[in-house]
Amino acid sequence: EIVLTQSPGTLSLSPGERATLSCRATQTVPTSLLAWYQHKPGQSPRLLIYETSSRATGIPDRFSGRGSGTDFTLFISRVEPEDSAVYYCQHYGTSPSITFGQGTRLEIK
Amino acid sequence: QVQLVQSGAEVRKPGASVNLSCKASGYNFTDYYIHWVRQAPGHGLEWMGIIYPSGGITNYAQQFHGRVTMTRDTSTGTAYMEVSSLRSEDTAIYYCAREGEDPSFDSWGQGTLLTVSS
Repeated sequence: EIVLTQSPGTLSLSPGERATLSCRATQTVPTSLLAWYQHKPGQSPRLLIYETSSRATGIPDRFSGRGSGTDFTLFISRVEPEDSAVYYCQHYGTSPSITFGQGTRLEIK
Repeated sequence: QVQLVQSGAEVRKPGASVNLSCKASGYNFTDYYIHWVRQAPGHGLEWMGIIYPSGGITNYAQQFHGRVTMTRDTSTGTAYMEVSSLRSEDTAIYYCAREGEDPSFDSWGQGTLLTVSS
């Protein structure tokens, strides 16, 4: 089973700064099978990015994804207060077997 | 619009079972897979398994084999998940999610809080 490790554990930024969230896999992951979710307290998770770099419907273009092989990154170009959340990467494996990273908490100062 | 509406909060004692529901609307229920994901307090998202509504085929995460059963009722567009032999560590919010075409989880239910306590 592929394990996803996200870093940093917590990221604290001021509004307008750029956020870089990392997701590293223990084996090569096809770009078509890597997604990112935003999860705010009291809400359901929301799909942000699918297939490594495609934005889901309604997601602002401040959010972007990039990566290949074992290293994937979620960028938020200019963070806003409402971006405060936990962000998870996800791998859709065979059988299927779905794995999530442990999450990165983004705090907006 | 696509909606997944889950059943309300549940409280169970250790050793008991619970059956959670997830009612889909706004799309053809049999065209999209349904996944179940949970989040225990202070923990991240954990995938539990998948059901293919058209044929009812299931696949469970290894750690839930033997304790989780997923079913569906195509006449009502509802997916169900039964969790048995409950223990305190099963206290969590349980989500159902629809798998889109990419694949990824493009719609989520609002979640059901399950509390397991004596």
